[in-house]
Amino acid sequence: QKEVEQNSGPLSVPEGAIASLNCTYSDRGSQSFFWYRQYSGKSPELIMSIYSNGDKEDGRFTAQLNKASQYVSLLIRDSQPSDSATYLCAVTNDYKLSFGAGTTVTVRA
Amino acid sequence: NAGVTQTPKFQVLKTGQSMTLQCAQDMNHNSMYWYRQDPGMGLRLIYYSASEGTTDKGEVPNGYNVSRLNKREFSLRLESAAPSQTSVYFCASRIGTGSWETQYFGPGTRLLVL
Repeated sequence: QKEVEQNSGPLSVPEGAIASLNCTYSDRGSQSFFWYRQYSGKSPELIMSIYSNGDKEDGRFTAQLNKASQYVSLLIRDSQPSDSATYLCAVTNDYKLSFGAGTTVTVRA
Repeated sequence: NAGVTQTPKFQVLKTGQSMTLQCAQDMNHNSMYWYRQDPGMGLRLIYYSASEGTTDKGEVPNGYNVSRLNKREFSLRLESAAPSQTSVYFCASRIGTGSWETQYFGPGTRLLVL
């Protein structure tokens, strides 16, 4: 079993809709959880981090964490064409960051 | 302030050749990382250095060695390249802990081993 699993996608959503991305992790000792965005041919960049159970909102992005279910999600509201990218879920334990394979999102104009 | 820089950007090697990928950061971060990214596999950790003078293996260390030359620089060496090492390699440095942690990635090195 991989440490971090994401819904494989690709995910296609119309402009203005909500994109929902899911991630599960296997290590119950994981401490912090992240969503990175990666445009094609570019390096990953951090867009959201979450540490405690519940929701965390930042602009059009909402991260949700449920440690009991070992589940992290990312909602992108009012999706824009500029949100078209691969989204990587990442989980940290001490110094090591484990990544999921990523979900590719395409926002249709 | 350049952030994380990597050289070279692209490299083609023949099987059995060696090379060193260079990484440097100017943000005074203690921790640095090397990842490889293959299609459908996400980012996999090769080696990391929690602080100057220390290095540790990650998920896929076989065939690689690293050197943390000083606080700024962390190099990755392929002693005898194999086609399975064809990949995109990213270096990263880290600041903070817990929910304040951020890893900053370099632009990547695209390596093709023939």
